[in-house]
Amino acid sequence: NAGVTQTPKFQVLKTGQSMTLQCAQDMNHNSMYWYRQDPGMGLRLIYYSASEGTTDKGEVPNGYNVSRLNKREFSLRLESAAPSQTSVYFCASSEGEQFFYGYTFGSGTRLTVV
Amino acid sequence: QQQVKQSPQSLIVQKGGISIINCAYENTAFDYFPWYQQFPGKGPALLIAIRPDVSEKKEGRFTISFNKSAKQFSLHIMDSQPGDSATYFCAASKVQGAQKLVFGQGTRLTINP
Repeated sequence: NAGVTQTPKFQVLKTGQSMTLQCAQDMNHNSMYWYRQDPGMGLRLIYYSASEGTTDKGEVPNGYNVSRLNKREFSLRLESAAPSQTSVYFCASSEGEQFFYGYTFGSGTRLTVV
Repeated sequence: QQQVKQSPQSLIVQKGGISIINCAYENTAFDYFPWYQQFPGKGPALLIAIRPDVSEKKEGRFTISFNKSAKQFSLHIMDSQPGDSATYFCAASKVQGAQKLVFGQGTRLTINP
C-alpha cells in the first residue's frame, strides 16, 4: 500500500543512548517532516525537508538531527536521548512546490527514554 | 509560540448530535486550513481542508466554517456517530514555500451511544 512507513513502532532507550528513527514514503513526494506529539501540545515540528538535499529546523529541533538520504527517505537521529524526548514521533510527507493537499502521516514511533 | 489555538480540549456528544470544535490562528499569511482525525495508535489522517477564498466547505457530515476577518475556523460534525470518537486537530500553513503545518492542541471527541 502506498504511504509513509516508519520504523520502529516502539522503542525504549536509556538516558544517553542514541538511535535513529527511519521514515520512507513511496508517493514521490518532495517534502518530508518530523513531528513529535505530546499530550495537550498537539504536534510540533522538529525538522523538515522541503526538497531532496535540503533540511531545516522546525519549532523544537534541540537534541535532534536529520538526514534526507534520498527523495524517499528522511531519518531522525537522537544523539544522546533524554527523558524529555519521551514522545510519539510522526513522519509525514507532502507534494511540495506549488501543490499542497495536506500531509500523509506514518503510523508513528512511540519512544520512551528512561 | 502557539500560533493556532484549539478548543475545547475534550468534548462529549450524544449520538446524533452536532459536534463543534473551534480554532483561532494568528498568522494572516496562512492560506490553507486542514482538519485531521486521529484514532488511538494511528497517525493523523486528513479529514477536510479549506482555503480562505470560501467561507464554508462541506463533505458528507463534516463541515468547515471559516471566518477570515476573525481569524477563526471551526469543524462541525453533523449526526455524530460513535465511530467519530477520535482526537481532532486543526492546522494552518501557507501553500507556497515550505508548507509547514502548525497544529492546534487537539480535541478528544467522545460520542456516547
